[in-house]
Amino acid sequence: KAGVTQTPRYLIKTRGQQVTLSCSPISGHRSVSWYQQTPGQGLQFLFEYFSETQRNKGNFPGRFSGRQFSNSRSEMNVSTLELGDSALYLCASSLDRGVHEQYFGPGTRLTVT
Amino acid sequence: KQEVTQIPAALSVPEGENLVLNCSFTDSAIYNLQWFRQDPGKGLTSLLLIQSSQREQTSGRLNASLDKSSGRSTLYIAASQPGDSATYLCAVHTNAGKSTFGDGTTLTVKP
Repeated sequence: KAGVTQTPRYLIKTRGQQVTLSCSPISGHRSVSWYQQTPGQGLQFLFEYFSETQRNKGNFPGRFSGRQFSNSRSEMNVSTLELGDSALYLCASSLDRGVHEQYFGPGTRLTVT
Repeated sequence: KQEVTQIPAALSVPEGENLVLNCSFTDSAIYNLQWFRQDPGKGLTSLLLIQSSQREQTSGRLNASLDKSSGRSTLYIAASQPGDSATYLCAVHTNAGKSTFGDGTTLTVKP
């Protein structure tokens, strides 16, 4: 069974631009969560989607948004990029939230210049 | 608000030593607790998942325990090897559907 995949793996953008990151969960998994990881803040929860609905959201500004498609694939969008948005963005999938194990993708390294 | 603390932040041990990593959390209303390892620049690899009703889980040389009432979990690594060098993170998944991660313990196992 294929693992969680994320595209692209690396991205360089300029301040003010927008970016879209993609995550394909493990087949059969319906929950997708997104995280931002930086050296200073650690791993922080962005949002969680299940059956195309956002069920939970972390403490990030509205510039961060996401969606989930009917095949459980998810996209995350960041608008009006700031230097502080440079981070490793990780996606995790699970059968459902709660009692099920989370499996992470390799991440997308975003650099904002 | 759930807070997760991992102590120590870094640990260096000689090969072959047994070691314990600690994780504490402030809200005991959790679904489960999960331990991960992360290699530099990579994603997270799940090591062990302990359900809220369980006390411990074992996988090979790894053993994780959970004491919900005291808000603590430990990850025991037996007979450490240089390949165990990585950052180990614990995460609690609460019944509100959110996940909170600790900052991790960076382990170095010296040959």
